[in-house]
Amino acid sequence: RKEVEQDPGPFNVPEGATVAFNCTYSNSASQSFFWYRQDCRKEPKLLMSVYSSGNEDGRFTAQLNRASQYISLLIRDSKLSDSATYLCVVISAGNMLTFGGGTRLMVKP
Amino acid sequence: DVKVTQSSRYLVKRTGEKVFLECVQDMDHENMFWYRQDPGLGLRLIYFSYDVKMKEKGDIPEGYSVSREKKERFSLILESASTNQTSMYLCASTDTYEQYFGPGTRLTVT
Repeated sequence: RKEVEQDPGPFNVPEGATVAFNCTYSNSASQSFFWYRQDCRKEPKLLMSVYSSGNEDGRFTAQLNRASQYISLLIRDSKLSDSATYLCVVISAGNMLTFGGGTRLMVKP
Repeated sequence: DVKVTQSSRYLVKRTGEKVFLECVQDMDHENMFWYRQDPGLGLRLIYFSYDVKMKEKGDIPEGYSVSREKKERFSLILESASTNQTSMYLCASTDTYEQYFGPGTRLTVT
């Protein structure tokens, strides 16, 4: 089993839709969690951190479920510009980062 | 703005060649990383460095080595390139948890 797993997608959604991705992790001692965004042929960039209490940044909401060992990213009112691959990142003891394989989102007009 | 640059965007090398991939960051970050990214496998850590002349193996160090002689520069070396090292190589630097990535080098080994 991979340490960090994501559904690769693609998730094809119409503009304006709400879409959610999950990311599961296997190490129960994982400490910190993040979502990165990677546009086609570009480098990954930090989208948002994931806090235990959940956090929201505009149309984006990130949540952590420690009991079930997953994090989620919810995107409301999808825009064409949201089309990208979304990578989850888990940091475990010793500050070791592990990336998920990414979930590809395609927002259609 | 943090800037991480990589020496080449595209590189084609022959099997058995020695390959150098250079990465430079301009934010005085302590920590630098080399990843490769392959479809279906995501980003995998090859090596990282927490200080000058210091290196640590990541998840897939076999076939690679690194050099960090100066704080701003972290080099990845393929001693004898093989076709299974055809990949996208991404360098990153950080001083906190946010990793800043370079634009990547797409290496093809023929």
